[in-house]
Amino acid sequence: QPVLSQPRSFSASRGDSARLTCTLSSGINVGNFNMYWYQQKPGSPPRFLLYYNSDSDKGQGSGVPSRFSGSKDVSTNSGILVISGLQSEDEADYYCMIWPSNALFGGGTTLTVL
Amino acid sequence: QVQLQESGPGLVKPSETLSLTCTVSGGSISNYYWSWIRQPPGQGLEWIGFISNSGITNYNPSLKSRVAISMDTSKSHFSLKVRSVTAADTAVYYCARLVIAAATRRWFDPWGQGAPVTVSS
Repeated sequence: QPVLSQPRSFSASRGDSARLTCTLSSGINVGNFNMYWYQQKPGSPPRFLLYYNSDSDKGQGSGVPSRFSGSKDVSTNSGILVISGLQSEDEADYYCMIWPSNALFGGGTTLTVL
Repeated sequence: QVQLQESGPGLVKPSETLSLTCTVSGGSISNYYWSWIRQPPGQGLEWIGFISNSGITNYNPSLKSRVAISMDTSKSHFSLKVRSVTAADTAVYYCARLVIAAATRRWFDPWGQGAPVTVSS
């Protein structure tokens, strides 16, 4: 059973950039999957942010600011969500997802904006 | 724009069947795929399954033996049943549209507000 590992927490200062990682377990290659990212604020349902496969194959959710972007790091077998120009409203839980044969979510990262 | 709303009992007894309905508005239920996802208290997301616009279902293998998703296009809703529930099934249950942009490009958007369900006697 594949596993997606996300740091439980991450903190960064307002105005800085945050790189949230999602590492795939051995045996599954990040290069073979689209990576999807969701944002969930307390008391609200998750919101689709974006998907990323490559720089030529990516997409943004409706109304999602361009300061949210995705990338991959094949050396660490990870998908990455980059949030630039952090704002206090970005404080939330962030979940990654892939579809090996079924939808599989990471455990989520809680982002704190200092 | 499509909106979804879950409904159903908030309390279910152990060993009984959990039943939830998701009502779709702002779009035709017949044009899309639909899914259920759950989130235990303080935990992450777990995909339960989806139903296609033609009624084909696909379930998480870990839940497949206890789960059923159905659709009623005349009422513009789809439903979830989970049999033989235990405390481990206590969660917020979300319904969501499954967007399929390509064979390998699919995501959940939008989501309902969620229905909290507690399994307890």
